[in-house]
Formats: sequence, structure tokens, C-alpha cells
Amino acid sequence: QQPVQSPQAVILREGEDAVINCSSSKALYSVHWYRQKHGEAPVFLMILLKGGEQKGHDKISASFNEKKQQSSLYLTASQLSYSGTYFCGTESGQFYFGTGTSLTVIP
Amino acid sequence: DVKVTQSSRYLVKRTGEKVFLECVQDMDHENMFWYRQDPGLGLRLIYFSYDVKMKEKGDIPEGYSVSREKKERFSLILESASTNQTSMYLCASRRSRISKAYEQYFGPGTRLTVT
Repeated sequence: QQPVQSPQAVILREGEDAVINCSSSKALYSVHWYRQKHGEAPVFLMILLKGGEQKGHDKISASFNEKKQQSSLYLTASQLSYSGTYFCGTESGQFYFGTGTSLTVIP
Repeated sequence: DVKVTQSSRYLVKRTGEKVFLECVQDMDHENMFWYRQDPGLGLRLIYFSYDVKMKEKGDIPEGYSVSREKKERFSLILESASTNQTSMYLCASRRSRISKAYEQYFGPGTRLTVT
């Protein structure tokens, strides 16, 4: 029931783009995205509440495909500050977070 | 700003000890959560509470219990600590479950080592 994220880890150079995928074997009713920087608490990025929804701020955006039971997080023109572990999460009876994706941006 | 605080950042306990992890939030949130975080496993839900004196089991409740006597405080108890409970423990709170649009706010975490 825990969503599966891919890739598990990715290393980017500044300015490159990345996509993080989140898929679930169960129906997704909403998707949350959080980022956790090393040694810090996870911080909320965005919530997608319905299929087909797309959201974004700055150069981080996300989409939600309810039929495919998956969501993707898009990071464009990555900056050093984007480094961290990204988690997706969904709620179905209880809250489930994904396995996490470690993203490292290097100069 | 919502603030979620946890009683300790680092804790070292011996096998068999009873361990209390405290979490306090200052925004009158109804829901509170306890997670453990292990490399490669993400965040796994131990227990959660939708309101005072309520508690629900999450994915991995074995070896843990919780207490929520006051709205702002949610305690995680390890009845008899074991080495496989060595982990990072994260507490979170959320305004309520009425809307799925409410996000969770996390505390800084407690890194517990059981020797």
C-alpha cells in the first residue's frame, strides 16, 4: 500500500531537469509532495486533489493521473537548493508516504 | 507559523528500557501522527490520532503505544526498547481531516539509538 517512487536516487548538475514518479497499487484520491533536506524536517510542497490536476510554483510542478494511479514531480532548471529527499504521500484510511527519492544537485 | 516540537533531537537508550518520545504542536491541530524513517523505507506510519483521546494504528504499531490526553501533545511510548527500534522518529500534525487539502507539519525528529 506504500506508494513506490522512482528513481530511488538521482544526481543532477545545476540547470538540468528531473522527474520523480510516484505510483500506487491502490487508487489514489489525492497526492501530497514533501521535500526533506538533510538533517531537517520534511516540508510540504504541494497537494493535488483530483485526476488531471497540475500544479507548480517556481520551477517545481506536479501532475496527477488518477487513472494510472500515479503522480510525477517535475523539477526544471534545478538549483543547488533543490537537493534533498522527495516524498509523495496519499491518504486512504490512513496516510501512506512513498519510499523517497534522493536528489542531489551539484555545481 | 505552525510549530511542532519534539522533546529530544538525539536519544540513546538500552535494550529493555521504556522510552517516551514527546511531541507538542502549538496550532490547535486536531490530527497528530508518529512516523519512523529508515533508509530505503521512506516514512512509515506508527500511530495517528484524529482528536484528543483517540488513537489509530498505522502500518507498524507493534512494540509501540501512544497517548493523547491533551490536544497539543502526542506521546509515543516504546514499552521495552529493542535494537530494531533504532531509527529516526518524526512527529507531524495536521489541522483536521475534514479537507484533504490540509498538509502535515513535521517536527525536527528524534534520532533514537537503542544499544
